[in-house]
Amino acid sequence: DTGVSQNPRHKITKRGQNVTFRCDPISEHNRLYWYRQTLGQGPEFLTYFQNEAQLEKSRLLSDRFSAERPKGSFSTLEIQRTEQGDSAMYLCASSFADFPAFNYGYTFGSGTRLTVV
Amino acid sequence: ELKVEQNPLFLSMQEGKNYTIYCNYSTTSDRLYWYRQDPGKSLESLFVLLSNGAVKQEGRLMASLDTKARLSTLHITAAVHDLSATYFCALHAGNMLTFGGGTRLMVKP
Repeated sequence: DTGVSQNPRHKITKRGQNVTFRCDPISEHNRLYWYRQTLGQGPEFLTYFQNEAQLEKSRLLSDRFSAERPKGSFSTLEIQRTEQGDSAMYLCASSFADFPAFNYGYTFGSGTRLTVV
Repeated sequence: ELKVEQNPLFLSMQEGKNYTIYCNYSTTSDRLYWYRQDPGKSLESLFVLLSNGAVKQEGRLMASLDTKARLSTLHITAAVHDLSATYFCALHAGNMLTFGGGTRLMVKP
């Protein structure tokens, strides 16, 4: 397993366009998280899945944002009608749900940097 | 609302010096994480602290947790340039991580 994989690494889009990002978690992990990080700030929680169920969404996740994890494996995050304020690094992470003693970690992907022009 | 606050936000230090980064949080939790982030890169896990009084060390970095005071510290011993990065603490609570604002560390020769 090569860790958490995110695609694309970079995305430049015009305001008003839709974009979709993909995250492939560590295969043994049943939880998958999306975070957003703006320049100079700490990552902010957006949403998380346990298997295919989306269990929590932040109020940061406006109606223009939607996330799916259809088969409990990879996940997609779509942003509709992008705005300049959506420019950020979007990070995906995965973990075990019950955090066994051998692995308390959250593993983060390399992120997708979105620039809305 | 859960708050995780780090200080200082920015730290410029000379090589060879010692310093401590502080992480205060507003709710009880049994797990506190420290991450390192280089510019434009993702988060690298440094430490997971699981109980009151926990102390972990790796190289020049040592992290500790005081759950009663709701405080974690990251101590840097004899800093070297390679430690220049942004350091985040993150609290595990409510099935997610809540991050502090980060401490940008610059180590000068």
